[in-house]
Amino acid sequence: EIVLTQSPGTLSLSPGEGATLSCRASQSVTNNYLAWYQQRPGQAPRLLIYGGSSRSTGIPDRFSGSGSGTDFSLTISRLEPEDFAVYYCQQYGRSPWTFGQGTKVEIK
Amino acid sequence: QIQLVQSGPEVKKPGASVKVSCKTSGYSFTSHGLGWVRQAPGQGLEWMGWISPYNGNTNYAQNFYDRVTMTTDTSTTTGYLELRNLKSDDTAVYYCASLTYYSGLDNWGQGTLLTVSS
Repeated sequence: EIVLTQSPGTLSLSPGEGATLSCRASQSVTNNYLAWYQQRPGQAPRLLIYGGSSRSTGIPDRFSGSGSGTDFSLTISRLEPEDFAVYYCQQYGRSPWTFGQGTKVEIK
Repeated sequence: QIQLVQSGPEVKKPGASVKVSCKTSGYSFTSHGLGWVRQAPGQGLEWMGWISPYNGNTNYAQNFYDRVTMTTDTSTTTGYLELRNLKSDDTAVYYCASLTYYSGLDNWGQGTLLTVSS
């Protein structure tokens, strides 16, 4: 199975700053079928990005995804208070689908 | 709007079985797959598998293949997850989510907390 490794584990930033989260796959992700999810405390995950770089419906344009093959990134251009959460990457190009272990973005 | 509403919390003893439901609305049930993901307390997301409501085909993750059954009822647009021979480390929140092959898990249920304890 494809193992996804996210870094860093925790990112401590202030509102208004930018954030870059990394997701590295153990094998190339088929068709760049790589998604990013946001999970706020006590809530279900929410799809932010699919296909490596396409924003899901209603997702603000401060969220952007990039990358291909084995290296992917999620960038948040200016952190809003509601963006402090845990972010997961997931590959859905090859069975079994797999998740990264998550990156927590916390308030500095 | 698209909604996935899951059944309420469950408490089960080790060795028992549980069946979690996921009532969907607001989209074409048979045009999307239905996936299941779980999250143990304080842990990350774990993929369990998915089912096609269109033809009933399933794909289970290796960790669960001998204990899990996913089904759907197209007449009520509801999906079900059954997990058998429960163990204490099955204690987790279980999520259903609609999925497509190109966009991943695009809409999620609110989660169902399963507690397994003697």
